[in-house]
Amino acid sequence: GAGVSQSPSNKVTEKGKDVELRCDPISGHTALYWYRQSLGQGLEFLIYFQGNSAPDKSGLPSDRFSAERTGGSVSTLTIQRTQQEDSAVYLCASSLGGASKQPQHFGDGTRLSIL
Amino acid sequence: QKEVEQDPGPLSVPEGAIVSLNCTYSNSAFQYFMWYRQYSRKGPELLMYTYSSGNKEDGRFTAQVDKSSKYISLFIRDSQPSDSATYLCAMIRRTSYDKVIFGPGTSLSVIP
Repeated sequence: GAGVSQSPSNKVTEKGKDVELRCDPISGHTALYWYRQSLGQGLEFLIYFQGNSAPDKSGLPSDRFSAERTGGSVSTLTIQRTQQEDSAVYLCASSLGGASKQPQHFGDGTRLSIL
Repeated sequence: QKEVEQDPGPLSVPEGAIVSLNCTYSNSAFQYFMWYRQYSRKGPELLMYTYSSGNKEDGRFTAQVDKSSKYISLFIRDSQPSDSATYLCAMIRRTSYDKVIFGPGTSLSVIP
């Protein structure tokens, strides 16, 4: 497909386990964003990539959260030692350039539930 | 206080009504303003993007920005059941060109 692809679409895991979420952006999009959306809340910015570098990772809530992007394409968001408050929908978006110049295209998210 | 405030609703209107959705913000550095629509269990999709104060129209949608009052609005004319979704306002500061700040969203239901 031509859109942003995220996997898995749903993930249920036990507290304390590590999880890895994947985002496949639209081909050619250099900018990639991760957001978190909790029930009834707006989107919370986590991290922004331009190519393989992350000029803004100010939104990562703790050192249990990390993200990487390789080859300027696929990105993974890793949460270590998951806690119940990590339960949320994790959304990825990509754009041709920065969000101030190009529209962001979102995937449908990974719904993460921590038991 | 959150940077961007938005009435969460839910807002319920009859089909054909004019809908007004609003956001207020506290930081005058916000320079770019957007409205997104999010259907249940889907990612948000961009509806409108504006830079300056004033109105911007696209079909049944009009986005309005009042920077002096730190207030933005989205108007939907002739609302349809397919407009039932959550509407999120979003903003970017001129000092942080690529970090988008979202409002919490307003849930809208258009009743046939």
